[in-house]
Formats: sequence, structure tokens, C-alpha cells
Amino acid sequence: ETGVTQTPRHLVMGMTNKKSLKCEQHLGHNAMYWYKQSAKKPLELMFVYNFKEQTENNSVPSRFSPECPNSSHLFLHLHTLQPEDSALYLCASSQESGRGANEQFFGPGTRLTVL
Amino acid sequence: AQSVTQLGSHVSVSEGALVLLRCNYSSSVPPYLFWYVQYPNQGLQLLLKYTSAATLVKGINGFEAEFKKSETSFHLTKPSAHMSDAAEYFCAVSDPGGGNKLTFGTGTQLKVEL
Repeated sequence: ETGVTQTPRHLVMGMTNKKSLKCEQHLGHNAMYWYKQSAKKPLELMFVYNFKEQTENNSVPSRFSPECPNSSHLFLHLHTLQPEDSALYLCASSQESGRGANEQFFGPGTRLTVL
Repeated sequence: AQSVTQLGSHVSVSEGALVLLRCNYSSSVPPYLFWYVQYPNQGLQLLLKYTSAATLVKGINGFEAEFKKSETSFHLTKPSAHMSDAAEYFCAVSDPGGGNKLTFGTGTQLKVEL
């Protein structure tokens, strides 16, 4: 595997389900990110992890729970979601996030549908 | 707070014609600026970035962008469009002193016609 991978690519879940999204980066980076991409809206930064420590939570509802066990893996645990949470969830990684010039590398995303 | 405005959510050009995608930013400090491209069912891929070196930045696939501080703009251009350029393009800005947080525009869908 190369770059940033995300699983699953597609997920359909009910509002009472619990599911997790997984992201893995094979680039030796130290920072990882979750973004939400909804139709006709700018990409929204959700969480940032730098050296496994959460450094940004962009006022994300608690029904989204991130986990970063190491610098290569990032999870997004989902529970009791709402239909408006349906979107493409993108994971990205970069060298440590202290410098704004570092390129972020994106995974292909997980298309989430909440029924 | 930073913001990015991309004028034109949809742009259509003929194959071989000039591509011009507009991006204006608002930032209290000289920012870093990025253009990303997203093909269907894929993540975002970096085309080019401006990080306070040369104001004319060349990227992949023949694209380039010019940072104009007086106009707070970072428009993306390509002299001759190819069918494979059809995709969605995103402009983004980050604050050099604010970590690596990107603020994205709403995107411009580029259509290339024969």
C-alpha cells in the first residue's frame, strides 16, 4: 500500500448503529487530519492530530469520536449519527502540523450515508 | 480569520483553450496558498503551492498560479485545456503561524468540451 488509504470506501448505517472509519498513511508523516466534504460546501476540518496528540477539534459533535493510536493510523468512531452527517469523509496526513507550508496528502475518502 | 472565495462554481472551456480558475483570499497575514484537484471518487491531490518564494508557481499537469498580493488573488491557469483536466479544483489558504490548518474554498467544477 502507498500513500493514504481509507476503509471502508462506502458505508451505509442507521442512526442507531455504531461504526468506525479507518485511515492509514504509509508516508512517514507525523500529522493526520479528518475532513468532512458535503455537497456545495467547503471542506470542513474536523480534527487534527500531531504526533498522536489531538491539537484541533473544530467544534465537532460528540457523536464523532476520533482515535489516533500511532502516527500511521487514525480512526473516526461514529455513533447515533443524523442524516445530515451523510458526506464524504476524507483523511489526510502531512509532516508535523506546526508549519503551514506542509503539503497534506489525502486519502480517497469514505462515502457515508446515514439512513 | 481566513477565508477563500472561488468565483464560479462551474467553468466550461473547449479543449485547447485557456483555463482560468479564480481564487481570492482574505488573510490578516501573508498566507500560504494551495490549489488541489479532485477527480471523481478520489481524494484531493496537490497541484501547486505558494509559500512566499517566487510569486509565479508552476505545478503539475501544466498548471501554474500567480500570487498577487495587491489583488489578494491566486488564480490558477493552464494555457491549453485537455479532456483529462475535467475535475473539481479547490483553492486553500493556511496561516504560516497557525499550524497546518487549511481553509478551503467551495470548489470549481471544470468541464472540458470537444
